[in-house]
Amino acid sequence: NAGVTQTPKFQVLKTGQSMTLQCAQDMNHNSMYWYRQDPGMGLRLIYYSASEGTTDKGEVPNGYNVSRLNKREFSLRLESAAPSQTSVYFCASSDPTSGSYEQYFGPGTRLTVT
Amino acid sequence: DAKTTQPPSMDCAEGRAANLPCNHSTISGNEYVYWYRQIHSQGPQYIIHGLKNNETNEMASLIITEDRKSSTLILPHATLRDTAVYYCIVRSGNTGGFKTIFGAGTRLFVKA
Repeated sequence: NAGVTQTPKFQVLKTGQSMTLQCAQDMNHNSMYWYRQDPGMGLRLIYYSASEGTTDKGEVPNGYNVSRLNKREFSLRLESAAPSQTSVYFCASSDPTSGSYEQYFGPGTRLTVT
Repeated sequence: DAKTTQPPSMDCAEGRAANLPCNHSTISGNEYVYWYRQIHSQGPQYIIHGLKNNETNEMASLIITEDRKSSTLILPHATLRDTAVYYCIVRSGNTGGFKTIFGAGTRLFVKA
């Protein structure tokens, strides 16, 4: 049981390049999330998917798109990377049907945009 | 979701109890208190949550005041590996609970 996995672990992009961050969970959770964490700051929610087939904006969605490919996978796409998107990106999942919203996080993707 | 206030940092001696406070004076009736921690650069880890009763699990205890306006996370015997940033979060128990707000948290230093 790997929990939440993220790829890649590290990435360096030039301004204007695009990329997709991948996230997968093997806990059969309905809900998945993407957060970003800037140095010395707390996490900020980018997008979430309450259940397969749905996605909604979080606190800081501008510059990002997401796809809930199936119940296991939730990807985050940067169409045209900007230096302001340099951050650590965390994916998480939860199972609200259990009565709890506790989230399980992946190890993060460290992205630098030059 | 209600906002929370936590001290920016705290120290604790190894082997002693670490008591981390959190104020959530605007909490509403259906909002739960959750605690997570983040050990250097790793993804946050869920610790415990509660509504109004005190809760205990293998990691920690959560004490919520009767008026629910504040809570304390207790690590009964802190170790060096408990050095981390601890986040107190208040979130709705219904579908609005998807939008979790993580503040700056409390940076706990456990010292030998």
